[in-house]
Amino acid sequence: AQRVTQPEKLLSVFKGAPVELKCNYSYSGSPELFWYVQYSRQRLQLLLRHISRESIKGFTADLNKGETSFHLKKPFAQEEDSAMYYCALTGGATNKLIFGTGTLLAVQP
Amino acid sequence: GAVVSQHPSWVICKSGTSVKIECRSLDFQATTMFWYRQFPKQSLMLMATSNEGSKATYEQGVEKDKFLINHASLTLSTLTVTSAHPEDSSFYICSAYKWGEQYFGPGTRLTVT
Repeated sequence: AQRVTQPEKLLSVFKGAPVELKCNYSYSGSPELFWYVQYSRQRLQLLLRHISRESIKGFTADLNKGETSFHLKKPFAQEEDSAMYYCALTGGATNKLIFGTGTLLAVQP
Repeated sequence: GAVVSQHPSWVICKSGTSVKIECRSLDFQATTMFWYRQFPKQSLMLMATSNEGSKATYEQGVEKDKFLINHASLTLSTLTVTSAHPEDSSFYICSAYKWGEQYFGPGTRLTVT
């Protein structure tokens, strides 16, 4: 079955601390993995995708096919990083996205 | 660029009535749009894939006769919730697919009383 798992509903860290948002997936094939972010009262927007290997706003994510994981990391959290983060995957020709349940990141001053 | 709008942003309707939600890609054309539903503090659940000029493809468990989708043009898809009931109250989000990416609308809050 196709599934994205984000085990943490809430992650609270202090400003300047490292952040790791966990994401594991289940997919029979070669999926494309994404991280989306939703800031308060704003729409969902793409943060990064594994094929681009970019670092956006200091965030990086590495696809580990052996562990079927795509964890999101940032070495030093900022207060403006506080938001809801969704891991998602797509595969096949339909371009459908399967979302995880999301993790609320709260960065304390 | 790549802006998607939804109208209305919120709507309250009485049980038994129908409500239409519009999703527009403002500055690009999208042959494929997606409709999601999001319950409070939960993730986005894909309801259906809307393809311009053809019938929508619904996900398992989504009633196609209740959630009517029309993709009339390359910039407009509509979702009509027919004979709405309180359990249909939710946040409905659309996205438009272009350049290998989905661009999301701001969502529509539907409350059925």
